[in-house]
Amino acid sequence: GAVVSQHPSWVICKSGTSVKIECRSLDFQATTMFWYRQFPKQSLMLMATSNEGSKATYEQGVEKDKFLINHASLTLSTLTVTSAHPEDSSFYICSARDRTGGDGPQYFGPGTRLLVL
Amino acid sequence: EDQVTQSPEALRLQEGESSSLNCSYTVSGLRGLFWYRQDPGKGPEFLFTLYSAGEEKEKERLKATLTKKESFLHITAPKPEDSATYLCAVQGGGSEKLVFGKGMKLTVNP
Repeated sequence: GAVVSQHPSWVICKSGTSVKIECRSLDFQATTMFWYRQFPKQSLMLMATSNEGSKATYEQGVEKDKFLINHASLTLSTLTVTSAHPEDSSFYICSARDRTGGDGPQYFGPGTRLLVL
Repeated sequence: EDQVTQSPEALRLQEGESSSLNCSYTVSGLRGLFWYRQDPGKGPEFLFTLYSAGEEKEKERLKATLTKKESFLHITAPKPEDSATYLCAVQGGGSEKLVFGKGMKLTVNP
C-alpha cells in the first residue's frame, strides 16, 4: 500500500520549452501533495504544498509562475516547469499524505530527473 | 524555527557491525518524527513514524527510538543492502511540512 508514482521518470528538453510532471497516489487519496527538488548529494528542498481544489502554497524563493502546480483530484498533482532553462535541471520528487492518515507520513514518488539542454 | 541535525554525515561499517545514527531536533510541538531511506536516483522510502518520547519501532534490522530531543536509528548486524542515505524529518505543530536533516550516507562493506 501507499504507492506514489511519477511520470515521466526521465525527461530531456530544449531550453525554452515547458515540461509537465505527473504525480499520482495509486492506492490512497491524498488531500495534500508536496513537490520537492533535490540537488546532487543534498537533501530535499520543499518547493510547494498543494491541496486538492485550491492554489498551491509556494516556499520562499520559488517562482510560482515558473513552477505551475495543479492538484486536480485527490490522486493527481502536476508540476509544470515553464520556459525551462539549464538551471532548472534537477531531480524533482513529489510526495503525498493519505487523507485518512492524520499526522501520518508523506509517501514519496520515485522522482523525475529533468535535463534542460 | 524547526531544525534537524543528523550525525554522522557518513558512516562506513563492515557487514555485521552494528551502529546507531543520530537525529537531533528542535521543533515547536512535535507532531511526528519520520525516518526515510533513500537509494541513489530514487525517491525516499518511508521507514518509521515516531510520535512521542519513549516510543520505539522496529523493522527487520532497524530500530528507531525517540526522546524529547533526539531520535536514534539503530542498525543491527547490517548487510550490504542496507547501504543507502537515511533521512530524518520532523513535522511541527500547525504545519503540514516536513523539515529534513541533511541525511546520513551509510555504506556497509561485505
